[in-house]
Amino acid sequence: AQSVTQLGSHVSVSEGALVLLRCNYSSSVPPYLFWYVQYPNQGLQLLLKYTSAATLVKGINGFEAEFKKSETSFHLTKPSAHMSDAAEYFCAVSDLDSNYQLIWGAGTKLIIKP
Amino acid sequence: ETGVTQSPTHLIKTRGQQVTLRCSSQSGHNTVSWYQQALGQGPQFIFQYYREEENGRGNFPPRFSGLQFPNYSSELNVNALELDDSALYLCASSMAGSLAGFTDTQYFGPGTRLTVL
Repeated sequence: AQSVTQLGSHVSVSEGALVLLRCNYSSSVPPYLFWYVQYPNQGLQLLLKYTSAATLVKGINGFEAEFKKSETSFHLTKPSAHMSDAAEYFCAVSDLDSNYQLIWGAGTKLIIKP
Repeated sequence: ETGVTQSPTHLIKTRGQQVTLRCSSQSGHNTVSWYQQALGQGPQFIFQYYREEENGRGNFPPRFSGLQFPNYSSELNVNALELDDSALYLCASSMAGSLAGFTDTQYFGPGTRLTVL
């Protein structure tokens, strides 16, 4: 069965530091992969998605993610954290075996220290 | 352009009652998906509607049902509420159904927080 594992329910970084949020997935067929962000009291917003084109995907707000098939990973990065990046981040996978329904990770709360 | 809206924002019900949650899709979108997000967890897919027909369903019992109307707004109905139904219910709309309805960008509403006592 498809699954998504996000390592670390909470990640804390200093403002200006590198952001790295980890996502590993299980899928026996080529997946579609997504990162969404959820700000307090707001809906989820798509940051970026991988749909079998370039393995390095650039998204909004300076975020990017790299699809690594050998590692079954799709980690999210940003070179320099801003206070406004504080939010919860969700990784999701979709593939033929799940009828392309989104399977979500449990989320990682990003905390930015001044 | 109006985004996805949901009503009500908060709701408190007791076990055994029935509830209806409403979603208004983003303008021009013909596909709507509903998700349940329990506290501290990621969303769980409930079902999707495309052009008023159910287009996929997650692992939820039949007491979870839905409707999509000709203007593409949608309702989620839950009968015989249980304590575990307490969650944030999210609605998301997108441009096209079938495969694209899932892989295309979904636009989420702010959710309805349901508490079952």
